[in-house]
Amino acid sequence: QVQLVQSGAEVKKPGASVKVSCRASGYVLSDYYMHWVRQAPGQGLEWMGWINPTSGDTKYAQKFHGRVTLTRATSISTAYMELSSLTSDDTAVYYCARANSYGPTNCDSWGQGTLVSVSS
Amino acid sequence: QLVLTQSPSASASLGASVKLTCTLSSGHSTYAIAWHQLQPQKGPRYLMKVNSDGSHTKGDGIPDRFSGSSSGAERYLTISSLKSEDEADYYCQTWGTGIVVFGGGTKLTVL
Repeated sequence: QVQLVQSGAEVKKPGASVKVSCRASGYVLSDYYMHWVRQAPGQGLEWMGWINPTSGDTKYAQKFHGRVTLTRATSISTAYMELSSLTSDDTAVYYCARANSYGPTNCDSWGQGTLVSVSS
Repeated sequence: QLVLTQSPSASASLGASVKLTCTLSSGHSTYAIAWHQLQPQKGPRYLMKVNSDGSHTKGDGIPDRFSGSSSGAERYLTISSLKSEDEADYYCQTWGTGIVVFGGGTKLTVL
């Protein structure tokens, strides 16, 4: 079955960058877009962007433009999310989520989440 | 602007039914949405996609107690025979012109 396994929790200082990985199994990474979504403490789900794993094309939410970079390594079925210039407001659980089709549609499978804590 | 609106909270008794609502912004009433469940201390779980005509496609293993429907710009998630494990946050999601939007979520309390 479809599985998305994310890298472990991270603790970062303000101003640093973080890179979270998401390894896909049970399907071919290139066949479906991948979304990244986060949830800050006490807040709702927030879409960050998507990547087309075949072409590498990306689309980012306006809020994260210039700070987030989505990449992929199809040879190892892994997608990555890198967020730079971290502040305490970036403390959140970050999720990768597969799109339902080859296009930026709804999420239909989720990773287990990666907690990123930003503190001085 | 593509926006989804959800009531912040809902409650219903054990064994009863509850209908959660997700409202699409003006001009987007034909959009499909998806429902996701976030149980405490767990990751999100995809429940179903609901189309504007009310048809819905459920995720793998989602019980028959969960169903979806539509009316105009509103999309619904109905949960029948409520169980304690249904107490969770429920989010709707939509997409269009390359962007994705989540509603603010509804916290469901099972009494």
